[in-house]
Amino acid sequence: GEDVEQSLFLSVREGDSSVINCTYTDSSSTYLYWYKQEPGAGLQLLTYIFSNMDMKQDQRLTVLLNKKDKHLSLRIADTQTGDSAIYFCAESMAGGYQKVTFGTGTKLQVIP
Amino acid sequence: DAGVTQSPTHLIKTRGQHVTLRCSPISGHKSVSWYQQVLGQGPQFIFQYYEKEERGRGNFPDRFSARQFPNYSSELNVNALLLGDSALYLCASSLEGLGFEQYFGPGTRLTVT
Repeated sequence: GEDVEQSLFLSVREGDSSVINCTYTDSSSTYLYWYKQEPGAGLQLLTYIFSNMDMKQDQRLTVLLNKKDKHLSLRIADTQTGDSAIYFCAESMAGGYQKVTFGTGTKLQVIP
Repeated sequence: DAGVTQSPTHLIKTRGQHVTLRCSPISGHKSVSWYQQVLGQGPQFIFQYYEKEERGRGNFPDRFSARQFPNYSSELNVNALLLGDSALYLCASSLEGLGFEQYFGPGTRLTVT
């Protein structure tokens, strides 16, 4: 079955790097995502990676995928107070319908 | 361009009542998905509709139903509300049914008392 797990909380100082980790169980996952949710808001797609990739970089964001260990991480360089939010790891499969399975979310607190 | 819009923003209902939530996708998007997000948890998939047909259904009881209209907007209906239905209901749209880029609306906060 599908299951996505994340640690619940991460606290970092402004300017430091943040690393949010995620593990997933479904080996047939094709797309892996990171979403950001700010208080009272919907979900914002930050970045995604295909399962045949190891790494993707997008400005301050770096996604690393270890397919063997089913481990996904999101690194935010030079973390700012505006990065404070809940970050969700998610996965879906190609074909069929577009069901996205989300983790429970990691709350990132950035200390000024 | 307007993003995904949902109405109403907030809603308070009593147990046993019925509720209808509405979603308008981004212009040109043909697929709408619905998710339930209970406080402190990640969103859970309820339905996906593409070109007015149900493409997928999550593990939710038959009290939950949805439909998509010719203009691609969508309604989520929940009958016989339970306290446990209290949640943020999120709508997401995408260009095609099998695409991976979904854009989420701000959600409807439903409180059942």
